[in-house]
Amino acid sequence: KNEVEQSPQNLTAQEGEFITINCSYSVGISALHWLQQHPGGGIVSLFMLSSGKKKHGRLIATINIQEKHSSLHITASHPRDSAVYICAVLETSGSRLTFGEGTQLTVNP
Amino acid sequence: DTAVSQTPKYLVTQMGNDKSIKCEQNLGHDTMYWYKQDSKKFLKIMFSYNNKELIINETVPNRFSPKSPDKAHLNLHINSLELGDSAVYFCASARGTIRGYTFGSGTRLTVV
Repeated sequence: KNEVEQSPQNLTAQEGEFITINCSYSVGISALHWLQQHPGGGIVSLFMLSSGKKKHGRLIATINIQEKHSSLHITASHPRDSAVYICAVLETSGSRLTFGEGTQLTVNP
Repeated sequence: DTAVSQTPKYLVTQMGNDKSIKCEQNLGHDTMYWYKQDSKKFLKIMFSYNNKELIINETVPNRFSPKSPDKAHLNLHINSLELGDSAVYFCASARGTIRGYTFGSGTRLTVV
């Protein structure tokens, strides 16, 4: 069992829908990252958070440290949001990231 | 442009060859990483260097050897390439361990 679990693995939505991707982890962490990998392969860091909530444009990330759970929300989704979204945790035991398997999001026009 | 740059972007080579992938960052970050993304798109750390010192060395074959000539560079050398080494390799950098990461654009290695 992976230390970082994401759900769903695949998500198809219609343009304009509100999207939620979930991430649960089983280790102690100092921070959690949400990454976006575009179809071309490049990886972009969306958020790094250790508590509470962060918002950037239509993207919102929340984390509940006690429940070891984070969510990434996309409001008013758009086809250009289609990508793989990856949750990664920075473990307190070291300085490395452990990744979830990613969520493939497809937003149809 | 401030960035993490990897070269080459694509690398096709025969089994048994030795190859290197270069990574450079001009962000002033002190920690650099190599990650491998397999065919199932799962990312896994391979190595981490902090100020030219190796701090993480995951269970990878010793055919893989990282080299950090200075804080801004972390190159990955692979000896005796095998078919299973085919993957996308990402370099990344960060300032310390609690800041955001910046990824390179990846190197797609295909061993034939």
